[in-house]
Amino acid sequence: GAVVSQHPSWVICKSGTSVKIECRSLDFQATTMFWYRQFPKQSLMLMATSNEGSKATYEQGVEKDKFLINHASLTLSTLTVTSAHPEDSSFYICSARDNSPLHFGNGTRLTVT
Amino acid sequence: SQQGEEDPQALSIQEGENATMNCSYKTSINNLQWYRQNSGRGLVHLILIRSNEREKHSGRLRVTLDTSKKSSSLLITASRAADTASYFCATDETSGSRLTFGEGTQLTVNP
Repeated sequence: GAVVSQHPSWVICKSGTSVKIECRSLDFQATTMFWYRQFPKQSLMLMATSNEGSKATYEQGVEKDKFLINHASLTLSTLTVTSAHPEDSSFYICSARDNSPLHFGNGTRLTVT
Repeated sequence: SQQGEEDPQALSIQEGENATMNCSYKTSINNLQWYRQNSGRGLVHLILIRSNEREKHSGRLRVTLDTSKKSSSLLITASRAADTASYFCATDETSGSRLTFGEGTQLTVNP
């Protein structure tokens, strides 16, 4: 079946630094990928829709200058959390659509100290 | 904002018992999907039911959909300790191309 690989699995960084998270579709091409954020014991909140070759579409309330998304190829989307702060600590999950349903990466646990 | 509401929020049962989780939504949908998430991991797709379907089975899973009530249920029969996870419903809305997730049900199956 379709596989989505997300890297890294977890990262600890200092406040003020930037962190890049990669999301790859391994055996299918994904013109659209989705980035979600999940706080402990809560549901997934869609942050943005990543479109190959064009700008990402951000959900209301998500700062596009803070969460930079690049979808440079049909198999790779990256999310960069810029100038990270402790409140950015969360679980970030990407997904890609191969028809339906969505296929999810295993998530990235970001801790900002 | 999340359109799906799930109940119960948490459910604890004994191995062998059945577990039922419910999901309600607000808009028109193309389909409704159920996902499972183990702690600290990504989501795994379980089953998809289209808006013109009323019931679907997959192994020990049974999903119903009532579009008039805008609700769905997920039944796991003969539960196992390995079924312990969070379960989310997600609606594929007719107005857009994205999935909207419910709040989830934390299921604990005690051995």
